[in-house]
Amino acid sequence: AQKVTQAQTEISVVEKEDVTLDCVYETRDTTYYLFWYKQPPSGELVFLIRRNSFDEQNEISGRYSWNFQKSTSSFNFTITASQVVDSAVYFCALSEAANQAGTALIFGKGTTLSVSS
Amino acid sequence: AAGVIQSPRHLIKEKRETATLKCYPIPRHDTVYWYQQGPGQDPQFLISFYEKMQSDKGSIPDRFSAQQFSDYHSELNMSSLELGDSALYFCASSLGVHTGGEETQYFGPGTRLLVL
Repeated sequence: AQKVTQAQTEISVVEKEDVTLDCVYETRDTTYYLFWYKQPPSGELVFLIRRNSFDEQNEISGRYSWNFQKSTSSFNFTITASQVVDSAVYFCALSEAANQAGTALIFGKGTTLSVSS
Repeated sequence: AAGVIQSPRHLIKEKRETATLKCYPIPRHDTVYWYQQGPGQDPQFLISFYEKMQSDKGSIPDRFSAQQFSDYHSELNMSSLELGDSALYFCASSLGVHTGGEETQYFGPGTRLLVL
């Protein structure tokens, strides 16, 4: 069965600290996608990144970086030099059947990140 | 860039009433998805459509139905509303791999439904 675990329910940091959000997934498929979404207090779900199961390269986008390790079934997200605007709920998600249209996203429970000034 | 449009943004209904939520996908996107997010919870998948055909089905109650129209917009119909249906309802759209897309789901702003 497919499952996404975000063990950290809440994290609080002070501005300029680095923070890593953990994500562990379970799937029996060899082909799948992993995602991170951000949900700020305003409520919308903002797409951050998509990673194909065949692509284990780490990715960096500005202050954001992602570490995908198939050996440990993890897809962790690091924010460098955090800012107050990073305060949000962050969801990790998994999609199996990568070549089938309309496949559901399975979300983790989310990690609430609070960044104080 | 154009985003997913959902209407209405807020809706208040009484128990046992019906509600219709609308979703207009990003232009050229052929797949739409519906999710329900209760307070403090993660989004739960309800149903999806690809090229106007139901593609995947999740934990959608029998009281709910949905369809995708010829212009690719979708509607979620909810009948016999219950207090527990109060939630944020998201629509998402994607361009399918069969159409050269990546299946990344882009979400609309959501419809906040309150059932009294």
